[in-house]
Amino acid sequence: QKEVEQNSGPLSVPEGAIASLNCTYSDRVSQSFFWYRQYSGKSPELIMSIYSNGDKEDGRFTAQLNKASQYVSLLIRDSQPSDSATYLCAVRNRSNYQLIWGAGTKLIIKP
Amino acid sequence: GAVVSQHPSWVICKSGTSVKIECRSLDFQATTMFWYRQFPKQSLMLMATSNEGSKATYEQGVEKDKFLINHASLTLSTLTVTSAHPEDSSFYICSGIQGSGGWQETQYFGPGTRLLVL
Repeated sequence: QKEVEQNSGPLSVPEGAIASLNCTYSDRVSQSFFWYRQYSGKSPELIMSIYSNGDKEDGRFTAQLNKASQYVSLLIRDSQPSDSATYLCAVRNRSNYQLIWGAGTKLIIKP
Repeated sequence: GAVVSQHPSWVICKSGTSVKIECRSLDFQATTMFWYRQFPKQSLMLMATSNEGSKATYEQGVEKDKFLINHASLTLSTLTVTSAHPEDSSFYICSGIQGSGGWQETQYFGPGTRLLVL
């Protein structure tokens, strides 16, 4: 079982709709969770971080964390074509600084 | 957010030559830097972790004599690909964390260096 799992997609969402991206992780003691966006040919950029159960909102983005079920999700409201990218989920456990990466979900926003 | 730069952004070299990639944290002191490699349509693969003034810790399967990492200061880390071969062609990305490296630390990524070995 992979440590951090994401559906590779592509996930196709019409412009203006809500895009929902999911990530599950296997290490129960994981403490911090990150969503990065990566455009084709570019390096990842941080979208959001979340550390506590529940929702965290930042503009059109909402991260949701459920430690009991070991999943973290990212919702993108009012999706725009510029949101089309690969979204990477990363999880850090207690013991070191390293992030464990998911393979990424490719999101396509159709105009 | 914190800014990380990489140089060069693109490099093409002949097989057998060595290539040095620089990673700089511009507005923070990076106590720890990470080097990743990413092949087309694949996710990030951590190559090594380096702390300023210490030897880098390499991930399993990464040859430390081929990928030389030097973290000489809190703002500069270098990756040297020695005797590069076409299979080393990839997108190399560095990242850094500031502060003491607690579990809430965010990794800030450089823009990446695309290496093509002919």
